[in-house]
Amino acid sequence: QEQLVESGGGVVQPGRPLRLSCAVSGFSFSSYAMHWVRQAPGKGLEWLAVIAYDGSEDYYADSVKGRFTISRDNSKNTLDLQMNSLRAEDTAVYYCGRDQGVGSGVGVLDSWGQGTRVTVSS
Amino acid sequence: DIQMTQSPSSLSASVGDRVTITCRASQGIRNALGWYQQKPGKAPKGLIYAASSLQSGVPSRFSGSGSGTEFTLTISSLQPEDFATYYCLQHDDYPLTFGGGTKVE
Repeated sequence: QEQLVESGGGVVQPGRPLRLSCAVSGFSFSSYAMHWVRQAPGKGLEWLAVIAYDGSEDYYADSVKGRFTISRDNSKNTLDLQMNSLRAEDTAVYYCGRDQGVGSGVGVLDSWGQGTRVTVSS
Repeated sequence: DIQMTQSPSSLSASVGDRVTITCRASQGIRNALGWYQQKPGKAPKGLIYAASSLQSGVPSRFSGSGSGTEFTLTISSLQPEDFATYYCLQHDDYPLTFGGGTKVE
């Protein structure tokens, strides 16, 4: 049974950084591409980033490109999202998700974490 | 980036109804379209990928169709547990983009 557990959320001031983590178990983490998706309060889902199974490729949404960095540690079965220069509009629940495919992924998310809440406020 | 437009944004239905949700892409995406269900306070759940393939464990009352720029999600007979918000997600190219969502109430 695959399990994805996000952590690292909280309240952070605008302009400050925050690092989210996603700990996975129950499947061969190093075989799958992984994603981050977020949902602002009362809003829809927004895809943020993907990283290839071996970390060799990554892609980002325009809204976070240059500010957020996705990374992974296959030896620790963890996925991270480093978020810099945070803004009020980054306030959201952040989800990690497993891609159904290998390589840089096929963009099909078949397993999700429960989410971690980030609030950007002074 | 590819823009995804869902309609309607909400709909009212009853148990047993046939429900259809539409998603349109701003450019052709072949059949690279997925559907996700989300209940309040919960993580999304994948239903369909590649326009018409069911993800593992998804009931057969859910079906998808379409290609190019127009896609539909159909729930053949709405069940109580199906009241939720549904999102389409194009997976033809990065960045992936979601539709705005359809709330079934």
